[in-house]
Amino acid sequence: AQKITQTQPGMFVQEKEAVTLDCTYDTSDQSYGLFWYKQPSSGEMIFLIYQGSYDEQNATEGRYSLNFQKARKSANLVISASQLGDSAMYFCAMREGPNFGNEKLTFGTGTRLTIIP
Amino acid sequence: GAGVSQTPSNKVTEKGKYVELRCDPISGHTALYWYRQSLGQGPEFLIYFQGTGAADDSGLPNDRFFAVRPEGSVSTLKIQRTERGDSAVYLCASSNRDRGGRNEQFFGPGTRLTVL
Repeated sequence: AQKITQTQPGMFVQEKEAVTLDCTYDTSDQSYGLFWYKQPSSGEMIFLIYQGSYDEQNATEGRYSLNFQKARKSANLVISASQLGDSAMYFCAMREGPNFGNEKLTFGTGTRLTIIP
Repeated sequence: GAGVSQTPSNKVTEKGKYVELRCDPISGHTALYWYRQSLGQGPEFLIYFQGTGAADDSGLPNDRFFAVRPEGSVSTLKIQRTERGDSAVYLCASSNRDRGGRNEQFFGPGTRLTVL
């Protein structure tokens, strides 16, 4: 089974609208971390937001928020007031196990977001 | 401050040749990671260093792949007898484990390897 599933290969959104990028995950660990990264056409992966499995509140970082539904094993990224510069590939990733000793990230296949002016 | 740097940015080689890819992590970061990203896919984990030692090399696809980090800073990914299927973007990342909590990984721009 896929550990990280991103079901939206591509999305088109009007500028200034909010957008939700879906991510579901599969793990039997109680302790894990979820990440979202942005990859512009330049290729560099840019960290956006993190959610720990024990965090009770949804993470927020500026215009980014993470809609964490633990029972459903989903960690959707919400971008408010989208901008043209948000056009990029977005990857959801998971680190299984506690923070130290289990460092590798498992990535999904990504969603290509295109913001329309 | 300087981010993660990788050299070369592009490498074209012929099948069967040996290649080395270099990664300079962010200064002070003790953890270093290598990932491989094929076209249309997310990055796939190859190996992780904590200091000079490889703490997890479970992602290396076979014994043609090897990585070192002799002084706990710069790392080199070495691929012997390259095959066309090795063509991909090789990404390096580093993190500061002392930070605790999220330990987010900071990625370099990648090396695009093409094996003809």
